[in-house]
Amino acid sequence: AQSVTQPDIHITVSEGASLELRCNYSYGATPYLFWYVQSPGQGLQLLLKYFSGDTLVQGIKGFEAEFKRSQSSFNLRKPSVHWSDAAEYFCAVGAGGGYQKVTFGTGTKLQVIP
Amino acid sequence: GAVVSQHPSRVICKSGTSVKIECRSLDFQATTMFWYRQFPKQSLMLMATSNEGSKATYEQGVEKDKFLINHASLTLSTLTVTSAHPEDSSFYICSARDPSGRGEQYFGPGTRLTVT
Repeated sequence: AQSVTQPDIHITVSEGASLELRCNYSYGATPYLFWYVQSPGQGLQLLLKYFSGDTLVQGIKGFEAEFKRSQSSFNLRKPSVHWSDAAEYFCAVGAGGGYQKVTFGTGTKLQVIP
Repeated sequence: GAVVSQHPSRVICKSGTSVKIECRSLDFQATTMFWYRQFPKQSLMLMATSNEGSKATYEQGVEKDKFLINHASLTLSTLTVTSAHPEDSSFYICSARDPSGRGEQYFGPGTRLTVT
């Protein structure tokens, strides 16, 4: 069965600083990986996804993530954080590009301080 | 991009009553929709997979008689919480799978259910 681990429950960064959110997955075959963002009381918005090809994936809002098969990781990065980036971030793994169910990590809450 | 809507966005009901939540794919036909539940400060837990024209597939531990799912058309799935109790209060999110391309899931904005 697939699983996702987000080891950081809560992260605080200063506005303008760089950000890296960690995600480790477990899946027997080539995974389909996603990062979603959720603002308080809102639904989920897809930031980026990895299906195949280039292991460095560019997403919306200036985010990127790198798939590292050897480390079973798919960490999310942003070079300069904005106050509006404060939200909850979920990493997810799916099989068949979402044709099968997607399993979410427990989330990382990002706080941005001035 | 593909849009999924949910209605209502918030609902308050009394214990013992039933509540229906709608999930619609607005610009694509979704043969498969998913229903998730999210407790405060927790991740999304898949409740069931809804397939158009057939019975839903429920995850282990989810009471199918309590959480009734109907996927009567390619653009609409409904979740009915029957005989709601305060412990059913939660944030319910649906997603719809776009069968074109890679079958990516698109999420609705969620429904906040409060049972008093």
